[in-house]
Parts: sequence; structure tokens; C-alpha cells
Amino acid sequence: SQTIHQWPATLVQPVGSPLSLECTVEGTSNPNLYWYRQAAGRGLQLLFYSVGIGQISSEVPQNLSASRPQDRQFILSSKKLLLSDSGFYLCAWSYQGADTGELFFGEGSRLTVL
Amino acid sequence: GQNIDQPTEMTATEGAIVQINCTYQTSGFNGLFWYQQHAGEAPTFLSYNVLDGLEEKGRFSSFLSRSKGYSYLLLKELQMKDSASYLCAVMNSNYQLIWGAGTKLIIKP
Repeated sequence: SQTIHQWPATLVQPVGSPLSLECTVEGTSNPNLYWYRQAAGRGLQLLFYSVGIGQISSEVPQNLSASRPQDRQFILSSKKLLLSDSGFYLCAWSYQGADTGELFFGEGSRLTVL
Repeated sequence: GQNIDQPTEMTATEGAIVQINCTYQTSGFNGLFWYQQHAGEAPTFLSYNVLDGLEEKGRFSSFLSRSKGYSYLLLKELQMKDSASYLCAVMNSNYQLIWGAGTKLIIKP
């Protein structure tokens, strides 16, 4: 069966510090991978998606970046965090070419920037 | 622009029935999803509608009317564990998912 895992689950970081969130998928090959941010009272905001190794599409210009060094690994990074980067970050995957496009989410990472 | 509208919060009683509505305006349509999200957890898939009509899955049903840009999620025989946020999302013609802000459902004994 397929599983998705992201970490860390919770982190508190000072403004200006770097960030690295990691996500891995097991049990499937060549998945589509996504990073979302969820702010209170707002819909899920797509940050990045990837259809293959080294292929990253950015949906929102910001101080975050993403990388996909391996087929089932997706990393969200920042060199210098802003207060506005606080939120709940979700990694997700879907099957390539799936009719329904159903997303499978990781457990989420809650980031607080102070 | 593209937008998904759903009520912010609803309250219902254990054992009762509740209907959560979702209206959408998107550039094209390739399906509508409902996800359940318990507080502090990741969303989990509930249903997918791409054709008009009602899809039933146990205590949960989802309805779609593409001409009206409207869907609802119907929850029957409510249980306390159904307390959660319910997210409506529409896939547009570019296969992008547009998400609503979610409806927080509070179940009272």
C-alpha cells in the first residue's frame, strides 16, 4: 500500500532563519507531488507541484522554494523565513494521469515563525 | 476570478442529518471533490463527482449540478466523530484544484 510521510510535524523558527520540510512517498512510482499551505479560514493554497524529478512548478511567488531530488522525495525550503510564512504545510501526492486526480495528504507540518 | 463558496460553520445534533452546500465559479470543470479534515490533521478524501446526480457512500452522499455550479455533501446518522471541517474543491479545465475555505461542522450530543 502507498504511504506518505512528512516531517517535522511541528516547528517554531525565528524570523530570518532557514526552513526545510521533507516529504517522502512509498509504494508508488512517478507520483505527482504537491506542497500546500493552509491558513486559518482560507482554502488550501498550492505552493509547488512536480510531475517528475527536477521538475518543479511554482504557483505563488514567494521566498519559498521546492526541490525533488528523487522520484518520491519532495522538499520545501526557505533561506530566510518571514512572519507571514507561519501556517500548516501539507505535502500530497496523486497518481500520474489519474482520471479523478484524488490527492493523498501527509500528516502536515505546523510552522510558527516568531 | 475563480471561487468556491461554502458556509464557514454549521452545527448539528448527533443522530441527525446535515447538508453542507458548495457553490463554485471556475474556468471549466473537471470534477468536484469533498474532503474531511479533523482539527490539526490532514484532509482525507470523501467523494468525487464529475456527472450530475447523487453519489452515495454509506452515511455520506454527494450531489452535483453542473448547470447550477452547485454541490452538497449530505451526512446522515451523525456521530460525534463527524465533527470536522469539510472542504469542497473543484478541478478546473487546466486540471488545477480550486479549494473552498472549508465548513467547520460541530456535532452536539
